[in-house]
Amino acid sequence: RKEVEQDPGPFNVPEGATVAFNCTYSNSASQSFFWYRQDCRKEPKLLMSVYSSGNEDGRFTAQLNRASQYISLLIRDSKLSDSATYLCVVNANFGNEKLTFGTGTRLTIIP
Amino acid sequence: DAGVIQSPRHEVTEMGQEVTLRCKPISGHNSLFWYRQTMMRGLELLIYFNNNVPIDDSGMPEDRFSAKMPNASFSTLKIQPSEPRDSAVYFCASSLAYTQYFGPGTRLTVL
Repeated sequence: RKEVEQDPGPFNVPEGATVAFNCTYSNSASQSFFWYRQDCRKEPKLLMSVYSSGNEDGRFTAQLNRASQYISLLIRDSKLSDSATYLCVVNANFGNEKLTFGTGTRLTIIP
Repeated sequence: DAGVIQSPRHEVTEMGQEVTLRCKPISGHNSLFWYRQTMMRGLELLIYFNNNVPIDDSGMPEDRFSAKMPNASFSTLKIQPSEPRDSAVYFCASSLAYTQYFGPGTRLTVL
């Protein structure tokens, strides 16, 4: 089983719609969780951290379910500029900064 | 801040040649990471340094790969000899307290 698993997509969603991604992780001792965004032929960039209580940043909401070991990302009122690959990222070991990246979910927003 | 700087941005070389990739982390960051990204394997951590000391090199593929960090503002990743299967995008990232910032990457093609 992969350490971090994501549905690769692609997700093709009309502009203005709401889209949700899920990600599962295998190590129950994982400490920190993130969503990164990667545009085509660009570097990954931090979108948001994911906290146990859930957190929101504008149109983006991230949730963590430790019992089921999954993380979700919800994008509301999607924009054309949201088209990208979204990477689920997990830090498995406290005190070790190593991050494990999922293979990403590709999202295309359709006008 | 200029962000993480990598050079060269593109490298095309022939099998058997030595390749050196360079990275300048963000000033003040105490951890530096080298990643490799391919379509087949996604983003893989090769090695990471903390305060210039290698902490985890379990992702380094084989003896052909080596990395150094002689000071807090510079790191190199060397491949000698290079092989076609080393073709990938190599990213350097730096961090302070777990949030990693990526450089633009070096696109390596080994013919």
